[in-house]
This record gives sequence, structure tokens and C-alpha cells, in this order.
Amino acid sequence: GDSVTQMEGPVTLSEEAFLTINCTYTATGYPSLFWYVQYPGEGLQLLLKATKADDKGSNKGFEATYRKETTSFHLEKGSVQVSDSAVYFCALSEGGELTGGGNKLTFGTGTQLKVEL
Amino acid sequence: DAGVIQSPRHEVTEMGQEVTLRCKPISGHDYLFWYRQTMMRGLELLIYFNNNVPIDDSGMPEDRFSAKMPNASFSTLKIQPSEPRDSAVYFCASSYGLAELPSYNEQFFGPGTRLTVL
Repeated sequence: GDSVTQMEGPVTLSEEAFLTINCTYTATGYPSLFWYVQYPGEGLQLLLKATKADDKGSNKGFEATYRKETTSFHLEKGSVQVSDSAVYFCALSEGGELTGGGNKLTFGTGTQLKVEL
Repeated sequence: DAGVIQSPRHEVTEMGQEVTLRCKPISGHDYLFWYRQTMMRGLELLIYFNNNVPIDDSGMPEDRFSAKMPNASFSTLKIQPSEPRDSAVYFCASSYGLAELPSYNEQFFGPGTRLTVL
């Protein structure tokens, strides 16, 4: 079945440091890939997405590129801020272009990021 | 839009009691998902609905759990009887399925209900 593997946390960085959170996936078809972020005490919210190979999703300074050859979707940010402290979830959906939207998401275990001054 | 609304935000109950969690999805969304989040197991999909019909309930842990969606604007997740191991944060999420367009399946999450079973 589908699965998503994320690097273990917590990841602790100083403000303005470079961030990479690794994510690899296993899927039978051509999934869409997502990064969700969960701030303390809140639900998850979509950070960025990519629907096909070589797509780059970006938002709020975060980027991730859909790499089909390595089945990866690593999250990066050039300069983190204290306000980026949260838990980050990588996810995939097999609901691609042919099957339409709304299918269930398979989530990774989440990676906690702590950014210190 | 107010987003996905869940109630109550916090629930403390005693073992053996019935617990009902409620969710109002975003208007116009035709998919609704129930998740459970714990430190030990992370985020688990319990069940999801499409157009008020349950599509996949394979994540429901056992018969003590049941979910209904009587109409497009309301869903409940019930635990009867509750046990301490049910303590978790329960999230509801909704999305809009676009069959004709490339799917990106964005799910919008509610704030969650933190359930504590003593």
C-alpha cells in the first residue's frame, strides 16, 4: 500500500538557518504530494503541493520538488523564523488526474521543527 | 466561510461513557474525513464520506466507534463505551472533489476536539 516516510524530529535550528525535512514515498500510481503544517493547538493546514513529476510547490518561502526518480518530496526553506516552529507533515494522495479529487491522504508521522533565536 | 467547525473543542469524560463529536464541513464540500491524532500512532484516518455516504471505514478501530453523516452539513463521530486509550485529538476535514480537473485533494481541517477519557 501507499506510505510516506519522514525524517524523525524534533529538528532544532537557529533563526535564519537553512531547513531541509526529508520525505520519501511509496505509491502504486502517480500520486499528488503535499506538505501540511500544524501550529500548536491547531488543525493541519496545507502549506504547498505538487501534482506531477518535476513540479515545484512553494509557499511562504518553503519549497518542495516532486522527484519521481527518487520518490521524494523534500521540504526546504532558505531562512527559517521562530514563527515557523510547528509540526510538518508530508502526505500523498493517489487521487490523481484520472480519478479526480477528494480521495484520502496518506500522511507521514510528522516532523517537529523548533526554531530558536 | 468559517472553515470546518468542530465541537466541543475539549471533552473530558469517564470510562464507559458515550462521547459524541460533531463536525460541520465547509459549505459545498462533498468529502468529509475523520482523523485521530496521538503521540504514539500519529495521524490516523478513521473514516471518510463522499456525498454523505461512507466510503472507507477501515480505519475505525473497533465497533465502539461509529460515524454518521445525515446531511451535507453535519457529521458525528460517536464512541460508546469510551475507554482511556481513546484519549486523543480528533480532527474533521473536508474537501471538494473536482472530477473533471487535475486533483490536488486539498483537505481543510477543523481545529480538533481534544478528548480525555479518565
